[in-house]
Amino acid sequence: EVQLVESGGGLVQPGGSLRLSCAASGFAFNTYWMHWVRQAPGKGLVSVSYIKEDGSRTGYADSVKGRFTISRDIAKNTLYLQVNSLRAEDTAVYYCARGLDSTGYHAFDMWGRGTMVTVSS
Amino acid sequence: DIVMTQSPGSLAVSLGERATISCKSSRSVSSGPNNVNYLAWYQQKPGQPPKLLFYWASTRESGVPDRFSGGGSGTDFTLTISSLQAEDVAVYYCQQYYDIPSTFGPGTKVDI
Repeated sequence: EVQLVESGGGLVQPGGSLRLSCAASGFAFNTYWMHWVRQAPGKGLVSVSYIKEDGSRTGYADSVKGRFTISRDIAKNTLYLQVNSLRAEDTAVYYCARGLDSTGYHAFDMWGRGTMVTVSS
Repeated sequence: DIVMTQSPGSLAVSLGERATISCKSSRSVSSGPNNVNYLAWYQQKPGQPPKLLFYWASTRESGVPDRFSGGGSGTDFTLTISSLQAEDVAVYYCQQYYDIPSTFGPGTKVDI
């Protein structure tokens, strides 16, 4: 089955860290750009980060630059997001999503169900 | 960053009636001699992840009913549901991917 499954979310104190994972299956993970998108409770969608198929290019939203790091393990078919120095405003469901094509400038054609990150003392 | 806006913020439509959502970008998301539009539409139902409906503004994703249509160019885009069905109740988002990271509109809630 073609799917993305996120994990690693939870409750963390301000200033804390988590590593989010997204396990991909059913498709050639090493040929797709991948993305993290977050959604605060009751709010809209925000692109957080992206990574090229081979990991050679990454990008971040200004709001997370310097605090979040995206990576991927081709052998494990897994996408990661290391989230550090967490703030209350980082509270959200974090989705991983697959890019539609290999250009980097694309829509997202597959999404996981998300993992919830709650930042609170 | 390219800022995306949508209108209305919410709308209520009777079953079988037309629903039209507008999406505007703060600058053009079209490029090239063929005016390719770097614009996508998503549908999100409560408790679910977003689902891709259209990309390149008007290319329908596989499995999307043809009562949905996408159009527009440059900075102005629309998503139309020609005959609203109960299962279309959702929030709809536009997204530009002309610049990356991409940016989304704030969403339009469609209800009956």
